[in-house]
Amino acid sequence: QKEVEQNSGPLSVPEGAIASLNCTYSDRGSQSFFWYRQYSGKSPELIMSIYSNGDKEDGRFTAQLNKASQYVSLLIRDSQPSDSATYLCAVKAGNMLTFGGGTRLMVKP
Amino acid sequence: EAGVTQSPTHLIKTRGQQATLRCSPISGHTSVYWYQQALGLGLQFLLWYDEGEERNRGNFPPRFSGRQFPNYSSELNVNALELEDSALYLCASSFRFGTQYFGPGTRLLVL
Repeated sequence: QKEVEQNSGPLSVPEGAIASLNCTYSDRGSQSFFWYRQYSGKSPELIMSIYSNGDKEDGRFTAQLNKASQYVSLLIRDSQPSDSATYLCAVKAGNMLTFGGGTRLMVKP
Repeated sequence: EAGVTQSPTHLIKTRGQQATLRCSPISGHTSVYWYQQALGLGLQFLLWYDEGEERNRGNFPPRFSGRQFPNYSSELNVNALELEDSALYLCASSFRFGTQYFGPGTRLLVL
């Protein structure tokens, strides 16, 4: 069974700090990797996608992928209270997208 | 560009009844996905439709069914509702097998 694992948290960081969110996956055939943000009671919103090893930066967000270690991470620089949400890692193998359980991030003012 | 839309936003039913949830994908998207998210739990994949055909199904009983119409909109039907069906039902769309974008969801409450 294909699995995507995330620490459920909560991960608590002070405002202005770097938040580091991690995700591991089991299917070595996975080709595409996504991070979604979900505010409480709302639907997931796409933040980043990454397809090749290395780093991909978009504003305050950096996604990191290491296929050899089957590891994806999301760094949020200069964390803001508005970043407080659950972050979902999603991994695509073939045509199917599998979601992790999400990590709850709390940014304290 | 309009995003994925879902209706209704909230739905209250009683045990044993049927629920119908609707989804309109982003213009140009051909695939529609349905997910269930029970309170405090992760996203569980329900169904995937592409070009009017059911392409894959998650580990849910047959009373969860759906269809995709020629205009690529979709509906999810849940028959013989049970209390544990209470959840946020999310629809996502993509162009072929591309990145999925989510709608706002339908919150179903079964009493």
